[in-house]
Amino acid sequence: RKEVEQDPGPFNVPEGATVAFNCTYSNSASQSFFWYRQDCRKEPKLLMSVYSSGNEDGRFTAQLNRASQYISLLIRDSKLSDSATYLCVVTPQVGSSNTGKLIFGQGTTLQVKP
Amino acid sequence: NAGVTQTPKFRVLKTGQSMTLLCAQDMNHEYMYWYRQDPGMGLRLIHYSVGEGTTAKGEVPDGYNVSRLKKQNFLLGLESAAPSQTSVYFCASSSPGLALNEQFFGPGTRLTVL
Repeated sequence: RKEVEQDPGPFNVPEGATVAFNCTYSNSASQSFFWYRQDCRKEPKLLMSVYSSGNEDGRFTAQLNRASQYISLLIRDSKLSDSATYLCVVTPQVGSSNTGKLIFGQGTTLQVKP
Repeated sequence: NAGVTQTPKFRVLKTGQSMTLLCAQDMNHEYMYWYRQDPGMGLRLIHYSVGEGTTAKGEVPDGYNVSRLKKQNFLLGLESAAPSQTSVYFCASSSPGLALNEQFFGPGTRLTVL
């Protein structure tokens, strides 16, 4: 089983739609959680971190459920510019802060159409 | 600041040839990483370094070697390239001082092994 699993999609949605991505992780000792965004043929970039209390950044809302080992990303009012691959990312274990290592899911592709 | 740069951007090798990929960062980061990204596989860690003169194996180290002689540079070597090493290679850097474990990525090197 992969440590971080995502539905690869693609998700094809019209402009203005609300879309949600889900991710599960297998290591209950994981401490930190993130969403990265990767545009086509570009490098990944940090989108936002994920907290148990949930966090919001404009049209983007991220949520963590530690009991279910489940992470979500909600995008409201989708824009054409949101088209990208969204990578679910976790730290592998307690103590990974001394290596900075991250584990990446395979990504979920979003295509927003006019 | 240039951030993280990678050289070369593209390369085609024949089976058995060797090459070195260069990663450079100007952010004074302690940690550096080499990943490969293949369709449907996500980013997989090859090797990483937590400081000048130190390196460690990641998830998929076989067939690769690395060196970190200077803090700002992290080299990835392929001694005898194989078609299975056809991939996009990303270098990243981070620092223990960063609050979110954020990794900053270079633009990638697209390698084809014939």
